[in-house]
Amino acid sequence: RKEVEQDPGPFNVPEGATVAFNCTYSNSASQSFFWYRQDCRKEPKLLMSVYSSGNEDGRFTAQLNRASQYISLLIRDSKLSDSATYLCVVNSGDTGGFKTIFGAGTRLFVKA
Amino acid sequence: NAGVTQTPKFRVLKTGQSMTLLCAQDMNHEYMYWYRQDPGMGLRLIHYSVGEGTTAKGEVPDGYNVSRLKKQNFLLGLESAAPSQTSVYFCASRDRGLNSGANVLTFGAGSRLTVL
Repeated sequence: RKEVEQDPGPFNVPEGATVAFNCTYSNSASQSFFWYRQDCRKEPKLLMSVYSSGNEDGRFTAQLNRASQYISLLIRDSKLSDSATYLCVVNSGDTGGFKTIFGAGTRLFVKA
Repeated sequence: NAGVTQTPKFRVLKTGQSMTLLCAQDMNHEYMYWYRQDPGMGLRLIHYSVGEGTTAKGEVPDGYNVSRLKKQNFLLGLESAAPSQTSVYFCASRDRGLNSGANVLTFGAGSRLTVL
């Protein structure tokens, strides 16, 4: 089983739609969580951190459920420019064995 | 601000050739990482470094070596390239610390390597 699992998609949605991505992680000792965005043939860039209380940044809402080891990302009012791959990222601590694990990503296509 | 710079951006090698990828960061970050990204596999950690003069193996270290002689540079070497090493390689760095901001990785633009 992969340490971080995501639905690979692709998700094809019309402009203005609401779309949700899910992610599960296997290490219960994981400490911090993020969503990154990666455009085609580009490097990953931080979209937002994910906090236990849930957090929102404009049209984007992230949720964390530690008990279920589940992370989600909700995008409201999708724009064409939201088309990208969304990576779920989990950190397991800040020691010599520090690990940052990436999910394989979920591809989103937003159509006009 | 340059951030994280990788060179070269593209390279084609023949099986058995050697090469070095260079990663340079100007943010005074302690931690640096080399990942490879293959279709459907996500980013996999090759090697990482938690400070100048230190390196450690990641998830897929075989066939690669690294060095961190200076804090700002992290080199990834392929001694004898194989077709299975055809991939996109990303370097990343981050600051030390446990707070959420320090845990954010900054990536270079990537190096596309093809081994024939």
